[in-house]
Amino acid sequence: DAGVTQSPTHLIKTRGQQVTLRCSPKSGHDTVSWYQQALGQGPQFIFQYYEEEERQRGNFPDRFSGHQFPNYSSELNVNALLLGDSALYLCASSGSDSGNTIYFGEGSWLTVV
Amino acid sequence: AQSVTQLGSHVSVSEGALVLLRCNYSSSVPPYLFWYVQYPNQGLQLLLKYTSAATLVKGINGFEAEFKKSETSFHLTKPSAHMSDAAEYFCAVSKGNTDKLIFGTGTRLQVFP
Repeated sequence: DAGVTQSPTHLIKTRGQQVTLRCSPKSGHDTVSWYQQALGQGPQFIFQYYEEEERQRGNFPDRFSGHQFPNYSSELNVNALLLGDSALYLCASSGSDSGNTIYFGEGSWLTVV
Repeated sequence: AQSVTQLGSHVSVSEGALVLLRCNYSSSVPPYLFWYVQYPNQGLQLLLKYTSAATLVKGINGFEAEFKKSETSFHLTKPSAHMSDAAEYFCAVSKGNTDKLIFGTGTRLQVFP
């Protein structure tokens, strides 16, 4: 059983560009959340998707947007990239079949230059 | 509002010694509390979670944590450290099983031979 999978694992973008990160949840999970982890810090909640709708949102600007597809996979989009967006982006999934325990993927490392 | 404070950004112990990582929380509602571990260049792995059942929670890899409401603490312990325990440890709080996680800033554990 594959866990939470994310792609790409590493990428480099230029300031002002846009980026899309992808996440496939653990099998049987219907809820996907995204977190940003800057170097040396704890993860910060960006938003959560359930049934293709954004259910919760953290304190991130509108440049950060997301989507959840009917198969529960999800994308995180960041527009107008800033140097400060450089971080590890973690996807997490949960579902009632696993007692709503939250499982994390290995993340996507984004470097903005 | 909820928050987590992890006391000590770095903890060093000798192999075989007791591991104690400190976490204090603030929450206006009965909290759900978690400890996650992050190995270098990897995502987060759940060690254990408290969800208002037993106050002493046992997790994976020999770790356990005790919920103390009077002290608003959820410290992580392991009787005997192994070299493989060297990693970053994060304490987190949420309002419920499917709610967003609020993380502390992490504690880096070093284990010396």
